Amino acid sequence: DTGVSQDPRHKITKRGQNVTFRCDPISEHNRLYWYRQTLGQGPEFLTYFQNEAQLEKSRLLSDRFSAERPKGSFSTLEIQRTEQGDSAMYLCASSYRTSGGPTDTQYFGPGTRLTVL
Amino acid sequence: DQQVKQNSPSLSVQEGRISILNCDYTNSMFDYFLWYKKYPAEGPTFLISISSIKDKNEDGRFTVFLNKSAKHLSLHIVPSQPGDSAVYFCAASGVLYNQGGKLIFGQGTELSVKP
Repeated sequence: DTGVSQDPRHKITKRGQNVTFRCDPISEHNRLYWYRQTLGQGPEFLTYFQNEAQLEKSRLLSDRFSAERPKGSFSTLEIQRTEQGDSAMYLCASSYRTSGGPTDTQYFGPGTRLTVL
Repeated sequence: DQQVKQNSPSLSVQEGRISILNCDYTNSMFDYFLWYKKYPAEGPTFLISISSIKDKNEDGRFTVFLNKSAKHLSLHIVPSQPGDSAVYFCAASGVLYNQGGKLIFGQGTELSVKP
């Protein structure tokens, strides 16, 4: 099948450690998005890729965060020197969008729950 | 600023009755709206969407209504079933608003359908 998959589903780390999450989008999708969700809130946009190009980053994405999509397929999100405030659900979504086309529907993965102790 | 608002954090409905979830937005540049359903510890699941050129879209038990003049949309679920119990998120985007297509989400409404 295939929907969007994310790995790991859960990650517990100590403050100051680095963590990396992976997202595998739906195979024919050219756009990949990262969102973060904290308790009681809706998901908040972090960044997105069109193929391998990272085209937009939210101001929520501090210097400690970096994302890549090296071959336009899977993506990784790395957080360096984690802080307790980074504890959240990190969601990946993918979609197919044609140039100049209408807004596309994004399909989400199950998320990675990060807990920073 | 909260551009998409869901003012009811929770809603309780009896099985078989109608559930109505509401969402308001402030940015008139939004032209595409979506509803997602989320169970605990899972990612949001797409339910239904509507373009700003329409005022209604229906898919089975789910209907979304859009009132552009009021900047308001609603999701109707008829009949409600216990399996519909989840958190429902409204989201907005648009080609004119931003070419990237990022979604702006509301805070969510937790729906509880009681047998």
